[in-house]
Amino acid sequence: DADVTQTPRNRITKTGKRIMLECSQTKGHDRMYWYRQDPGLGLRLIYYSFDVKDINKGEISDGYSVSRQAQAKFSLSLESAIPNQTALYFCATSDLGREGRYEQYFGPGTRLTVT
Amino acid sequence: AQSVTQLDSQVPVFEEAPVELRCNYSSSVSVYLFWYVQYPNQGLQLLLKYLSGSTLVKGINGFEAEFNKSQTSFHLRKPSVHISDTAEYFCAVSPFKAAGNKLTFGGGTRVLVKP
Repeated sequence: DADVTQTPRNRITKTGKRIMLECSQTKGHDRMYWYRQDPGLGLRLIYYSFDVKDINKGEISDGYSVSRQAQAKFSLSLESAIPNQTALYFCATSDLGREGRYEQYFGPGTRLTVT
Repeated sequence: AQSVTQLDSQVPVFEEAPVELRCNYSSSVSVYLFWYVQYPNQGLQLLLKYLSGSTLVKGINGFEAEFNKSQTSFHLRKPSVHISDTAEYFCAVSPFKAAGNKLTFGGGTRVLVKP
């Protein structure tokens, strides 16, 4: 079984709809991240969370919100989707305090299309 | 703030030929450096990382990269590619003291290995 899972894997929605993307991990990591990937732009950080009580904005947080329901779960919401939020979204985790602190582990991605 | 530039958006290469993917970065502070690979329809997987020590870093699948501090570069190489190396490759940096291990990614280089 995958260590970092994302649901759904693909979603098509209409402008103005509310969408939630979910991420779960079994790695026991403290830190979780949401990125979006656009062609030619690489991955850009939307939000990150150190633990359940600590959530921080990344470089492109406008139009998004997140919820850290448990150590293992981190959800990304688009309150009112717009077409330029069409992208591939990745969740990632990393560990605090050990050598693995410097490596992020990525989920398989969610392809979101807003029409 | 950091920025990462991958100088080639696409690199076609014949099977068993060598390949080099170029990465330059800009940062006012010292950084850790990473290369990730994204196979079709998959998430990102860490290829290799430079944290400290020898500037020549060896990773998985026969890849290696060399950190050049004076040129602020971290180029990725493989002496002989296989069809299975067809993927997108991302260079990324993280400042030594970044809260949350925040990564800044380059725009990616798509490698197409031809038979």
